[in-house]
Amino acid sequence: SQQGEEDPQALSIQEGENATMNCSYKTSINNLQWYRQNSGRGLVHLILIRSNEREKHSGRLRVTLDTSKKSSSLLITASRAADTASYFCATEGNYGQNFVFGPGTRLSVLP
Amino acid sequence: DTGVSQDPRHKITKRGQNVTFRCDPISEHNRLYWYRQTLGQGPEFLTYFQNEAQLEKSRLLSDRFSAERPKGSFSTLEIQRTEQGDSAMYLCASSLIWTSVDNEQFFGPGTRLTVL
Repeated sequence: SQQGEEDPQALSIQEGENATMNCSYKTSINNLQWYRQNSGRGLVHLILIRSNEREKHSGRLRVTLDTSKKSSSLLITASRAADTASYFCATEGNYGQNFVFGPGTRLSVLP
Repeated sequence: DTGVSQDPRHKITKRGQNVTFRCDPISEHNRLYWYRQTLGQGPEFLTYFQNEAQLEKSRLLSDRFSAERPKGSFSTLEIQRTEQGDSAMYLCASSLIWTSVDNEQFFGPGTRLTVL
């Protein structure tokens, strides 16, 4: 089954630095999405990248997708303490199957 | 606030009791999903509805779990004879989908279940 796996599992950086998280998956996808979750809260959609796209930007977020390597990366530039959260990638298969989430990357941005 | 609401936000119950959770999706959304999330893990898919039809159920959804979306609007998730292993956050999400290309899901705040 397809499965998103984020890397690293945990990341700690100083405010102002950039944070990069990676996601790998196993099967063909329609799209890949990144979500953020603050501790004990619901998930917030950040960005969606389609399988025919290679790069997408939204504010301080930059997402890349390499379908040949079945991987994606999320870059958060100029990080802020408020970016502290868990970040999950989720993949949706070619036939509209359910989302498969990875275990997430826990990002800590230190002031 | 995404517009998806869940009730209750917290539920503490004793092992063996039945519990029911409710999810109200964004009103025009035709898909509704249920997920379970345990501490330190990503959400795990349980089931989803397109309008009132339940189209897919995960193997995680044992016979003790049942979900309904009777009028294609709100949904309920019932767990019968709860076990301590059912303790988790139960998340609901909704989306508006006509093709499967852009299925952005909007998540509710979740219901945290603790089974004693």
